[in-house]
Amino acid sequence: GENVEQHPSTLSVQEGDSAVIKCTYSDSASNYFPWYKQELGKRPQLIIDIRSNVGEKKDQRIAVTLNKTAKHFSLHITETQPEDSAVYFCAASIITGFQKLVFGTGTRLLVSP
Amino acid sequence: DVKVTQSSRYLVKRTGEKVFLECVQDMDHENMFWYRQDPGLGLRLIYFSYDVKMKEKGDIPEGYSVSREKKERFSLILESASTNQTSMYLCASSLSGGRYSPLHFGNGTRLTVT
Repeated sequence: GENVEQHPSTLSVQEGDSAVIKCTYSDSASNYFPWYKQELGKRPQLIIDIRSNVGEKKDQRIAVTLNKTAKHFSLHITETQPEDSAVYFCAASIITGFQKLVFGTGTRLLVSP
Repeated sequence: DVKVTQSSRYLVKRTGEKVFLECVQDMDHENMFWYRQDPGLGLRLIYFSYDVKMKEKGDIPEGYSVSREKKERFSLILESASTNQTSMYLCASSLSGGRYSPLHFGNGTRLTVT
């Protein structure tokens, strides 16, 4: 089955810096890679996703890149703000029949003012 | 806006008790999921269901069962609670398979087994 590894487990940056979180997956058949953000005490929420036929996707200050050959994908946050502080989870999924996501172990991002 | 509601935010049970965690979604989603969240382990899939009365084992089904008698409701059952089942449990739903539809999570139930 699919296995997703996520690094780093914690990341501290200064406000305005960039942050990068990296994930690798094991199953070459995986074709959908979402990222979820979980603020303290709240539910995880989708922030961005990418499909295997796309190499990069941007949404304002966040972007995700995908390298299918190396089987890794990354989340990039530019001009970080304190409200970006949260736990971020990557996930991978095979979309055949029905969706089953396998999540990484999470990265706690702390943005200091 | 999709709403996924979990019946309890906090729950304390004794070892050996039978525990029911309830989840209801209001968007007519076909897929429903139960995840367990533990520090350093991320979100691990316990069971999922893609239709009424249908269920599939996830990655860590041992010690759990589920019930989906109605489309909007998905219950997680701990037949005999044990201390290693102390955790945060998250229910989620999504549109039918074959689409790149996001998971919509509930607020979670923090279960403590003493």
